[in-house]
Amino acid sequence: ETGVTQTPRHLVMGMTNKKSLKCEQHLGHNAMYWYKQSAKKPLELMFVYSLEERVENNSVPSRFSPECPNSSHLFLHLHTLQPEDSALYLCASSPLFEAYGTEAFFGQGTRLTVV
Amino acid sequence: DQQVKQNSPSLSVQEGRISILNCDYTNSMFDYFLWYKKYPAEGPTFLISISSIKDKNEDGRFTVFLNKSAKHLSLHIVPSQPGDSAVYFCAASAFNSGGSNYKLTFGKGTLLTVNP
Repeated sequence: ETGVTQTPRHLVMGMTNKKSLKCEQHLGHNAMYWYKQSAKKPLELMFVYSLEERVENNSVPSRFSPECPNSSHLFLHLHTLQPEDSALYLCASSPLFEAYGTEAFFGQGTRLTVV
Repeated sequence: DQQVKQNSPSLSVQEGRISILNCDYTNSMFDYFLWYKKYPAEGPTFLISISSIKDKNEDGRFTVFLNKSAKHLSLHIVPSQPGDSAVYFCAASAFNSGGSNYKLTFGKGTLLTVNP
């Protein structure tokens, strides 16, 4: 248990569906992230929120829409996905202001399958 | 272009022996390096880190070595235990370069199998 909780753990959705992934952390961290892990690829950073403000969007298609209503919660809204979007989606959080270096704490991930 | 490379997709060792996992990076701005461990169906968990001001950091059975001139780091696990079997990810950040210094760039991971 890392203190970062993701729901649901598994999701199967059709290409015309709309769904949302949820992430929650109560570690007092001020940065939150969405990562995508596809088979045989490195973890790919999708979005970064710093103090609830989006600071990075790594050229992610608009069919993925993040939302960070407060420092403890992060959502990833999904619509009209493609089968190649099937992957493990990982949420992470980290403290921003450390003396040196920060490590991210990850949730268990949502295994998404687009059919 | 991959900035963090783990060239061995898998490694198999006997219980009690040393496991050595390697990682290379290309971005000279990276100054903070981390290793994460991932079991199936779980998110990665932080294992050990090292800043560029050091060349070695030790935590129990785990030691990370950093060779800045070669842009290479390695994770040593000794003695290896069956419970260490997992995917190990190397990650790096440019902590002192400002901007998104909290952003981690990951390698593809190495699957370690420790045989009893």
